[in-house]
Amino acid sequence: GAVVSQHPSWVICKSGTSVKIECRSLDFQATTMFWYRQFPKQSLMLMATSNEGSKATYEQGVEKDKFLINHASLTLSTLTVTSAHPEDSSFYICSATAGKETQYFGPGTRLLVL
Amino acid sequence: ILNVEQSPQSLHVQEGDSTNFTCSFPSSNFYALHWYRWETAKSPEALFVMTLNGDEKKKGRISATLNTKEGYSYLYIKGSQPEDSATYLCAIPGGATNKLIFGTGTLLAVQP
Repeated sequence: GAVVSQHPSWVICKSGTSVKIECRSLDFQATTMFWYRQFPKQSLMLMATSNEGSKATYEQGVEKDKFLINHASLTLSTLTVTSAHPEDSSFYICSATAGKETQYFGPGTRLLVL
Repeated sequence: ILNVEQSPQSLHVQEGDSTNFTCSFPSSNFYALHWYRWETAKSPEALFVMTLNGDEKKKGRISATLNTKEGYSYLYIKGSQPEDSATYLCAIPGGATNKLIFGTGTLLAVQP
């Protein structure tokens, strides 16, 4: 139980295009989903917290107009990197929780912006 | 700003060796500590959630202890196997939204 999928697992795009990443909880309803970013040799850095049906809460320094988060249902959250640039190249990973403490993670998405 | 530190950064052991590594966190206002195992190309997997000072939890050959007064947790692996090779992450809650603050992890490589 508690499986989270993430799609795509990797994506290469041209600078200036937008990329959408999906995070789904497959066997439970996720009241809260989290989006993290990981730079090489660094920790998972929380970007934003999203609750179903409400606006996401972004961490300090994360541009909400750059990283659009939508949590339209209890099983799906999306992260859209708008007008991607090479510096947005990174590893993005989501997690979901059903209201308790443990977060269940997706496998992550590696983004490369050329 | 909450800071979670893990040491060592990486560890190479031989199959059959026992090993341990550390997670340090602020001892004030402690609520819970999470341990995750993250194998390459897979999702991070929750290992333990620890809340009480002196707590010890076990899952197979892996166990963890917690000292909330001095702000550290140890993760032990007894008789390491190649399949234990992974990055081990610890995290503490970082606010009212259930968000977690992660350490940088300990990368364990177990050689056959």
